[in-house]
Amino acid sequence: SQQGEEDPQALSIQEGENATMNCSYKTSINNLQWYRQNSGRGLVHLILIRSNEREKHSGRLRVTLDTSKKSSSLLITASRAADTASYFCATDSAGNKLTFGGGTRVLVKP
Amino acid sequence: DAGVIQSPRHEVTEMGQEVTLRCKPISGHNSLFWYRQTMMRGLELLIYFNNNVPIDDSGMPEDRFSAKMPNASFSTLKIQPSEPRDSAVYFCASSLFQGEGYTFGSGTRLTVV
Repeated sequence: SQQGEEDPQALSIQEGENATMNCSYKTSINNLQWYRQNSGRGLVHLILIRSNEREKHSGRLRVTLDTSKKSSSLLITASRAADTASYFCATDSAGNKLTFGGGTRVLVKP
Repeated sequence: DAGVIQSPRHEVTEMGQEVTLRCKPISGHNSLFWYRQTMMRGLELLIYFNNNVPIDDSGMPEDRFSAKMPNASFSTLKIQPSEPRDSAVYFCASSLFQGEGYTFGSGTRLTVV
């Protein structure tokens, strides 16, 4: 069963706009991670946020974590066509074993 | 570093045949993971190793699946006999134990006809 569930399942935006996607999970976690997957490729690690952190930035990415609500959000600012991909959240609940959500498909239109 | 290397990239086989997928993790990474990705079930963890030792194989669907890691630089996932429902993309990933995320390979797209 999937620990994390992303919302929305799909998102279509214009280049330059911001994209926000959310992840909810069920059990307590050590950390939560976000990955990107381009079509036909492997997943690429974007950012990791630990359970005692509330917000983290990396370039145009901003991740928040609310452990009381068991939720996280990923914001991509000033989106580019190259950001078109599927984005997955993954939770580490026990010993470095990640459980992935179903993903959000993001389409950035030029 | 060349990253996590998987072979083959594509495999088409007939039902009942044995299939072996291969993975070379990043040098120095202590953990290795095998995932399967399908449209219906998403990404599923099949098995993972720490320091070449299998830690959790609860995701291996059936006895037809087996995985080995004879040394720190090589792992195999074997399906015998293969069935059409095994068709999926199989990913290998590695990480430092309790490290900063996984590095995934490019995957093996398996089609069983």
